[in-house]
Amino acid sequence: KNQVEQSPQSLIILEGKNCTLQCNYTVSPFSNLRWYKQDTGRGPVSLTIMTFSENTKSNGRYTATLDADTKQSSLHITASQLSDSASYICVVSALYNFNKFYFGSGTKLNVKP
Amino acid sequence: DTGVSQDPRHKITKRGQNVTFRCDPISEHNRLYWYRQTLGQGPEFLTYFQNEAQLEKSRLLSDRFSAERPKGSFSTLEIQRTEQGDSAMYLCASSTQQVGTEAFFGQGTRLTVV
Repeated sequence: KNQVEQSPQSLIILEGKNCTLQCNYTVSPFSNLRWYKQDTGRGPVSLTIMTFSENTKSNGRYTATLDADTKQSSLHITASQLSDSASYICVVSALYNFNKFYFGSGTKLNVKP
Repeated sequence: DTGVSQDPRHKITKRGQNVTFRCDPISEHNRLYWYRQTLGQGPEFLTYFQNEAQLEKSRLLSDRFSAERPKGSFSTLEIQRTEQGDSAMYLCASSTQQVGTEAFFGQGTRLTVV
């Protein structure tokens, strides 16, 4: 069964600290993996997109890693800001089945001053 | 065209009423997706269109739900005889059909059934 599991479910950190969010997936055959940021009451917005051959990709203070062998990805946030408070959703797409997207349940990050 | 547009942003309805939501995708995108998201959960797939053809429907899409994309552009999602369990955020996304394409999401329609 194609699944995407994220951990932790929620996380509270102090402003300025770093954190790492985890995503494990069983989607096969794998096409690519995206991390989305979703502010409360808004639609998800893409942060990074990673294909099979990519191990690391950065977008400002966000760095995503991908290990296609172990089917794991992480999103590292450096020097967190209050505006980073949001849900972070890992989305994996399958190579076939119309490039279907499989969503994790998200990690809710709360950055406190 | 600045992105995926959904209307309305919020809808409060009484149980048993019908509601209809609209999604306008990015103009050059031929794929359109509907998702439902309940509080604290990730989006759950409901249905998907390629142009005007509805290619897949989730088991979550009961017979009270119907989606259309008559001209391959905008789409509507109708819920008949709403129930309190239908309260959720309904998200629309669009994409091209290229492998590795990204889904662009609208802001969603928040439905509250009272």
